[in-house]
Order: sequence, then C-alpha cells, then structure tokens
Amino acid sequence: EIVMTQSPATLSVSPGERATLSCRASQSVSSDVAWYQQKPGQAPRLLIYGASTRATGIPVRFSGSGSGTEFTLTISSLQSEDFAVYYCQQYNNWPPGTFGQGTKVETK
Amino acid sequence: EVQLLESGGGLVQPGGSLRLSCVVSGFTFSSYAMSWVRQAPGRGLEWVSGISDSGGRIYYADSVKGRFTVSRDNSKNTLYLQMNSLRAEDTAVYYCVRDRMVYLHWGQGTLVTVSS
Repeated sequence: EIVMTQSPATLSVSPGERATLSCRASQSVSSDVAWYQQKPGQAPRLLIYGASTRATGIPVRFSGSGSGTEFTLTISSLQSEDFAVYYCQQYNNWPPGTFGQGTKVETK
Repeated sequence: EVQLLESGGGLVQPGGSLRLSCVVSGFTFSSYAMSWVRQAPGRGLEWVSGISDSGGRIYYADSVKGRFTVSRDNSKNTLYLQMNSLRAEDTAVYYCVRDRMVYLHWGQGTLVTVSS
C-alpha cells in the first residue's frame, strides 16, 4: 500500500498570503494525485486531479503541481473561505486509493 | 443536480451489524462505479470499498474485507454497505461517493458509532 505523507500538519497563514502544501508518496504514483478541501461538518470537495487539473468550478488561485513522489498544492492568495483541512490522495496503485493525513490551514 | 443521500447509520454494539444505503439522483446511476469512504472522528479519510457500474467487480480495504459487503440496485438508484462484526475502530462517518478513484460527488455522510 502506498503511503501519502503531508506536510506540514498545520499551516498558519494570513489572508492574502500564499500557502504551499506538500504531499509525498512512498513510491511513484505518476501524476495520479488528487487534492480535496474539507471544512468542519462538511464532506470533502475535490479541488485538483491528475496532479494539476482543477475540478469544475474551482478558483484559479488553487493550483497543483508535481509528479512521481512529490506533489504541491498552492493557494496563491488565501481567502477567508480557504481556511480548512486539505487532503492529498493517490489513485495510481488502486485499490486502495490512499489519502494523506491532512494539512490544516489556519489563520495566522 | 447530482445528489447522494446516505442513511442507516446509528449506534451499534461491538459485533453487531448495520446496513447503510445511499440513494442517488441527478445522473445515470447504472453508468458509474461507486465507492464508500469513511472518516473516523477527528481523523483523515479512508477508502472502504468500491463497486463497478454493473456490480460485477467489487473491491474492499483490507481493514473491512470479510466483514463488509458492498452491493447496488441499479433499478432503485441505490448503493448499499452491509457491515457485520463491527468493531470500535469502525466508528466513523461513512460517505457515499461517485466514481471509482477520484471523487467529485459526495454524500453528506452518515455516522456509525460502535460502542457498548
């Protein structure tokens, strides 16, 4: 089973600043990585798939990059509604499609 | 509008059983694979099970294999998860999600609590 490791566990950022979240796979997953956003009491929301393709309706301030074992989600200018927990997921070696443990983006 | 509505969660004793249902609308159910993903309280996401569009191919996480059974009724637009021999570590919100690997559409989740 591929292990996805996210860092940092918590990221403190001021509104308007840039946020960079990292995700590392225990072995190559090509570009088969998705990113999800989850707010308290809500289901996760798909942001990015294929490592860099934004899902329908996702603002352009969200961008994904990487391939192989190293992946990044960047939020170019944090808005108040972006404070949430973010999960990466690999689906290259499926089943199972494994998730990272999450990065919480909080207000600095 | 795509909608997925889970039901069937609740409190159950260790060793007990529960059957979750997920009724969908807004898309052609029989054309899509479906999955279950769970989230323990305060924890991350865990894929549980997946089923192909016809129901002919079924997959389980090792943590639930032999205890959980996924099925679907395409005539009723409904996905099921039969959970037997429940353990405390199965306590989680269970989400019904569309598709096999990348999850654009999620239900609101149903809470399963396994406790004596």
